[in-house]
Amino acid sequence: QTVLTQAPSVSAAPGQKVTISCSGGSSNIGRNYVSWYQQLPGTAPQLLIYENSNRPSGVPDRFSGSRSGTSATLGITGLQTGDEADYYCATWDSSLSAAVFGGGTKLTVL
Amino acid sequence: EVQLVESGGGLVQPGRSLRLSCAASGFTFGNYAMHWVRQAPGKGLEWVSGINWNSGSRAYANSVKGRFTISRDSAKKSLYLEANSLRVEDTALYYCVKGIDSGIVGHFDCWGQGTLVSVSS
Repeated sequence: QTVLTQAPSVSAAPGQKVTISCSGGSSNIGRNYVSWYQQLPGTAPQLLIYENSNRPSGVPDRFSGSRSGTSATLGITGLQTGDEADYYCATWDSSLSAAVFGGGTKLTVL
Repeated sequence: EVQLVESGGGLVQPGRSLRLSCAASGFTFGNYAMHWVRQAPGKGLEWVSGINWNSGSRAYANSVKGRFTISRDSAKKSLYLEANSLRVEDTALYYCVKGIDSGIVGHFDCWGQGTLVSVSS
């Protein structure tokens, strides 16, 4: 049972836009910054978005993040087959005094 | 270039112990928080434990609290995880992860390739 809720899967066609949602509560997303991670098949995760909406250097501007209340959203535009991966949201939970991850969303680019 | 190289994983019987290590290079180790994150086979990511830059603050997931201990040695640029009373459900790939700043409450900006821990009789 994860603290942050993500849809298990999402799909879209190449060139299209997709959004991945992450739902939490007042003790986690509602109070702390959210980050997003991309895990390509067979590889370690990589940081995509930090502090809700900031991109590390090297991450294309096709990736964007936002937070509203107790939910966060990752947006990906101009989808490419190379974007097929698992995407995870994460934040700190002040009640648990622990970092928490969403269950992950598998993106398929049809 | 930041490099994080984990070691110490292996096959262990339930109830036994393991010590995981992570050798860091390519950044000023003593300035950053460090974490362990695990991933069971075919499952999602689970944060295990974190330690701030000077070891003054440590935190653990409820699933490992009281059994695992995180520590660091800045002189050796190394992170450790002492895992005791291992359970079958601790079976996972354990990643060493660099924090984005000095505090535990932060993001994870660099990941190692992981070391596999298998707990089975």
